[in-house]
Amino acid sequence: DQQVKQNSPSLSVQEGRISILNCDYTNSMFDYFLWYKKYPAEGPTFLISISSIKDKNEDGRFTVFLNKSAKHLSLHIVPSQPGDSAVYFCAASASNYGGSQGNLIFGKGTKLSVKP
Amino acid sequence: NAGVTQTPKFRVLKTGQSMTLLCAQDMNHEYMYWYRQDPGMGLRLIHYSVGEGTTAKGEVPDGYNVSRLKKQNFLLGLESAAPSQTSVYFCASSYTGSRALRTQYFGPGTRLLVL
Repeated sequence: DQQVKQNSPSLSVQEGRISILNCDYTNSMFDYFLWYKKYPAEGPTFLISISSIKDKNEDGRFTVFLNKSAKHLSLHIVPSQPGDSAVYFCAASASNYGGSQGNLIFGKGTKLSVKP
Repeated sequence: NAGVTQTPKFRVLKTGQSMTLLCAQDMNHEYMYWYRQDPGMGLRLIHYSVGEGTTAKGEVPDGYNVSRLKKQNFLLGLESAAPSQTSVYFCASSYTGSRALRTQYFGPGTRLLVL
């Protein structure tokens, strides 16, 4: 059973508008969340993270929102740029979960296309 | 500073053949990881290591073995390759300590095709 779900395989947005990528999780023990960005033929690169003690974290054009009661997080990109076109992975970890050392559980990814 | 590098970039194997994928990092990270990514799937953890000489199983360890003889290297072995192991393999590494420090840095990937 998927513990981290990204229900939208793809998203298309016009340049300059807001991109909103969504992620849901089922494991209430998750307490740290990350977003990774992946271009074709490259490895994922870290984008932004948020701890469960916060509900928002900003880094430039990127903001992650966490709603613990809904077990939902979202990544907002404002304004979107063509260079943001990539696959975005949501990931979660738990401090103490079966001795996993806080390993990451990834969603399946959402492919974002930003059109000029 | 090369970060995380992976060798080879691409490989074709026949069923039953063996091979070793090499991951190297120059960031003095304690933790290292091997993932596989299949079409339409997220990254799934195969094995990981929390330090030199230690390894542990991840989510999908069957058919793979690993070794961490040196801190900077993490090897992933396939003893008898199967078509189901056709995938893109990513290595990652991270510091130990707080969760923020344990952000994982990924290599460029190895594309493996098993015929």
